[in-house]
Parts: sequence; structure tokens; C-alpha cells
Amino acid sequence: EPEVTQTPSHQVTQMGQEVILRCVPISNHLYFYWYRQILGQKVEFLVSFYNNEISEKSEIFDDQFSVERPDGSNFTLKIRSTKLEDSAMYFCASSPSESTSGGYYNEQFFGPGTRLTVL
Amino acid sequence: AQSVAQPEDQVNVAEGNPLTVKCTYSVSGNPYLFWYVQYPNRGLQFLLKYITGDNLVKGSYGFEAEFNKSQTSFHLKKPSALVSDSALYFCAVRDLSGNMLTFGGGTRLMVKP
Repeated sequence: EPEVTQTPSHQVTQMGQEVILRCVPISNHLYFYWYRQILGQKVEFLVSFYNNEISEKSEIFDDQFSVERPDGSNFTLKIRSTKLEDSAMYFCASSPSESTSGGYYNEQFFGPGTRLTVL
Repeated sequence: AQSVAQPEDQVNVAEGNPLTVKCTYSVSGNPYLFWYVQYPNRGLQFLLKYITGDNLVKGSYGFEAEFNKSQTSFHLKKPSALVSDSALYFCAVRDLSGNMLTFGGGTRLMVKP
């Protein structure tokens, strides 16, 4: 069964450093997402991406964050200058295109997450 | 703004007994409701969804959920719990206007032999 994969599983970085979190969505999916979960808190939406552009973003997704689909398979989240409060589990997700079955109704398929620790 | 509440941090149930994990939501317009499960060191796995139609929705691993519009609830149920059902369960809602899922805080289900 196809899965969303994420690398690395754990990333430790110093405050102020740039990090790039990588995701490989399911191959025939066209919608991509990033969520994060600070320890002990809710899973929070960061951004959604479709047709090579951001389709929706939350207040958390400020200028320090960016997303990119550099090739046909990877989807990345970059944090330009990490802060202590960026420490969290970051989840990538993908869902099929609207044309394949149900559009908005499609469930999102999540990866296992990358735990980011900012020191 | 949409929101989801899972009032119980943890639910304990004996193996073989029925289980219920509660979820209530708030959204403008028609809700699209989802349940996900998270096992240790794994991502969120989709269990089931309600979009429209029958209020009782059946999903993976014998789970089902009942949509109640008047009570704005979407409780997850299973007639007979297994030890292997022990995990973290998340309810989520999505509205028609966007892509984002809004999650509840999660409920840890502990099924004891």
C-alpha cells in the first residue's frame, strides 16, 4: 500500500539555523499539506499546496516558512531561521486530486512525521 | 472558525467490551468529519469519514462513527474492543471553504486484557 514518507525522522538544530524537512507524497496525489504538533498540544495546520502554489496557509505559516515541490516526487518545508518554539513534530500529508473521487471529501494521508528539536 | 473538542484525554476499556470515543465539533455550514488513529512512531492513519448520507459511518478495523447534527457530535465506536486498538485517536473537521483539517486534542484509548 502506498505511503507518505518523511525524512529525517529526527532533526536537531541550533536556534537561528535553517532546516529543510522532506516528504515524498503518494505518487498520484496532487494536494500536499504540512501540519505540526507541539508536544502535548493539538495537531495544527500549516499550509496546503496545489498546482505548484500555496492554496491555503495558517497564521503559523509566517515569512520564516516556505514550501517547495522541487521535482516530481518531493515536497519540502523550509524554516529559514529556527526558533525554540519551532520544536515540534511536523507531519506531511497528501490527498488525491478533485477529479479522482470526491474532491474536498478526500481524506488526507499522513506521513510518520519528523521530530524537530531546536536547541 | 471551526473547532473540534475531544472531552476525554483517555478512555479505558476492557477487551471485548464496546468502546466510545467522543468528539464534538463547531463549523459553519456542512461539516466533513474524519477520525484518525496514531500508533507509536507512526503517522496519522485514516479510519473513517462522514461527508453526507447515512449518519452511521463504517470504517477500518471494525470502527464506526455516528454523526449527530443536532448535538454536533461524531463519536467513534466499536462493538468489541481489542488490545491492539490501544492508540491515540484524533477527530478532525473540514469545512467546504478550504483544505485544512482542524483536529481535536486526541484521546488515548487503553484496552486492557
